[in-house]
Amino acid sequence: TQLLEQSPQFLSIQEGENLTVYCNSSSVFSSLQWYRQEPGEGPVLLVTVVTGGEVKKLKRLTFQFGDARKDSSLHITAAQPGDTGLYLCAGSKAAQKLVFGQGTRLTINP
Amino acid sequence: GAGVSQSPSNKVTEKGKDVELRCDPISGHTALYWYRQSLGQGLEFLIYFQGNSAPDKSGLPSDRFSAERTGGSVSTLTIQRTQQEDSAVYLCASSLVAGGLYEQYFGPGTRLTVT
Repeated sequence: TQLLEQSPQFLSIQEGENLTVYCNSSSVFSSLQWYRQEPGEGPVLLVTVVTGGEVKKLKRLTFQFGDARKDSSLHITAAQPGDTGLYLCAGSKAAQKLVFGQGTRLTINP
Repeated sequence: GAGVSQSPSNKVTEKGKDVELRCDPISGHTALYWYRQSLGQGLEFLIYFQGNSAPDKSGLPSDRFSAERTGGSVSTLTIQRTQQEDSAVYLCASSLVAGGLYEQYFGPGTRLTVT
C-alpha cells in the first residue's frame, strides 16, 4: 500500500513553462519534506513543511502543505534544464520514520 | 563539512554470496537510516537507529538482511545469500533532531548488482 501518491510520475516540458507536482495521502502527517535526486546521487532535501496551509518559497519553487496536512504540492515557475531530476515527497508520522512517494521524474527540455 | 559517505559505491556479486555495505554518517547525528531504491522508484525504508535505543527493523524484507551500528556512528548493512531481487541502490541517511524535525541527509548510495 502506497501511503503517499505522487502525480504525475513522469513530466517532460519545455524550458520556461510552469509545472505543478502533487503529493497526496489519506493519512495525516506531522511534517512533509521534498527532496530532489539526480542520477547516481542520494536525495537532497529541498524543504520541510510542518503547518497546515504553510507555503514556502525557494527561488522559483513554491511548496504548499495542505490545510489538513494530508497533501502537498510543488510548483516550479519558468522551469530551467537544471531543474531536471527525480522529485520525492516524504511524510513523517512518528517524527523519525519517513514514508516516501514513488517520485516524479521531471525533464526540462532546452 | 563532510556529508554522509557510503562504500563501496558499486558492488557486483554472485547470487548466494554475502555482501556488506558501509555507511559513515555526519558527525554528531544521532539517527541513522537505511533505505533501498529500485530503478527509478521511491525509497523503501529498511531500518532505523536512534542513539542507544533498539533499532526499528520493521522494514527489513527478510531475515537475510541485518544491520548494526557500532559506537553510535558507522553502520554496516549485511545481506546474506544474495538474490537477484536484492539488486538495487542502498541509501543511508543520518539526521539530527532539531525542534522535533528529523531532516535526513543522504549519502550517494551503493549500487548492488546480483548476477
